[in-house]
Amino acid sequence: DIQMTQSPSFLSASVGDRVTINCKASQNINKYLDWYQQKLGEAPKLLIYNTNSLHTGIPSRFSGSGSGTDFTLTISSLQPEDVATYFCLQHNSGWTFGGGTKLELK
Amino acid sequence: QVTLKESGPGILQPSQTLSLTCSFSGFSLSTSGICVSWIRQPSGKGLEWLATICWEDSKGYNPSLKNRLTISKDTSNNQAFLKITSVDTADTAIYYCASLPGYNSGYYFDYWGQGVMVTVSS
Repeated sequence: DIQMTQSPSFLSASVGDRVTINCKASQNINKYLDWYQQKLGEAPKLLIYNTNSLHTGIPSRFSGSGSGTDFTLTISSLQPEDVATYFCLQHNSGWTFGGGTKLELK
Repeated sequence: QVTLKESGPGILQPSQTLSLTCSFSGFSLSTSGICVSWIRQPSGKGLEWLATICWEDSKGYNPSLKNRLTISKDTSNNQAFLKITSVDTADTAIYYCASLPGYNSGYYFDYWGQGVMVTVSS
């Protein structure tokens, strides 16, 4: 089974900050890494698929990068509406989620 | 516009069988490449993939739960189903269904339902 290790678990940042969240796979998952945003009380929402493809309607301040085992979600300029928990997901072999990163405003 | 909505019993007792329904619109499970998955999330915790069914009736299950899961579909009525046998308190969670574009674009969860809360309690 592929394990996904996400870091940090908790992140506090200010409006306008550049924010990065990392995900590490226990083995090569090629480009098959996705990022989701989950606001309190809501279902997860797809942000980025296949490492760096922006889902429909997602603001361009969100971007993804990486390959193989190491991946990053970047928010270029944090906005108040970005407060949420972020999850990565590998879909190279079955599906495995990372543990999540809770992002709050400083 | 793609929408999905889950429905379930709300509460059930240990050892019973949980039956969940995902009703969707905006796509068809008879379209080549399309899949639907079930995912769950215990309160305050992370996400766990459970099962996936695709247009040609291929199925995949989480190995840790495989013996207890059955996924199926009713293409005519735009529904997918999940049964979990022998539930216990550890199965208490919000259950989501989600669509996958499949080989058309990739096997990621592009649209999700709002989720349905299931509580297992005696």
